[in-house]
Amino acid sequence: LAKTTQPISMDSYEGQEVNITCSHNNIATNDYITWYQQFPSQGPRFIIQGYKTKVTNEVASLFIPADRKSSTLSLPRVSLSDTAVYYCLVGDRESGGSYIPTFGRGTSLIVHP
Amino acid sequence: GAGVSQSPRYKVTKRGQDVALRCDPISGHVSLYWYRQALGQGPEFLTYFNYEAQQDKSGLPNDRFSAERPEGSISTLTIQRTEQRDSAMYRCASSRGGEIHEQYFGPGTRLTVT
Repeated sequence: LAKTTQPISMDSYEGQEVNITCSHNNIATNDYITWYQQFPSQGPRFIIQGYKTKVTNEVASLFIPADRKSSTLSLPRVSLSDTAVYYCLVGDRESGGSYIPTFGRGTSLIVHP
Repeated sequence: GAGVSQSPRYKVTKRGQDVALRCDPISGHVSLYWYRQALGQGPEFLTYFNYEAQQDKSGLPNDRFSAERPEGSISTLTIQRTEQRDSAMYRCASSRGGEIHEQYFGPGTRLTVT
């Protein structure tokens, strides 16, 4: 079971770009990398998923180097409303096997005015 | 459309009582997951279903915990003989299944065992 390591917390300021890096040294060939965001008193919300290189959507970008042993979630020009906990998950897409999502403790991002 | 719903939102029960937590997933979603989340921690996987089949229950803490999804839609997580250590937020999520694991979470049930 692939495990992930993320910083416990990060601080930033409004308007800055925030990069949160997740280490997953034991990632398997079939594993995908998924990021979720969780606000207090709410369930996690899917942000982005990728396998290699770069993925971008309207919310964030995900950078994955060639060795795939880490990934970086990039949030452009954060605002106060981006204050949340961010989780990195690694696991196999459902292709007949069992996929057990492992959230860990996540990274608590605090955006200051 | 409607998202994932859970009921009750809050449940206070006395130690030793049984509780049943309900999850109503997004219509048509194949996969349904149950998690438990303690304060300051990420969601902890308990079990999941594809349709009505329980695919993995390795996260259930002990045999007092069970879950079912008899018709492949609504699911119930049952905790028998509750203990104080069972107090937590219980979250349910559903996904389309298949290739992308984009899970949609419900609001959770806050269980307090006194």
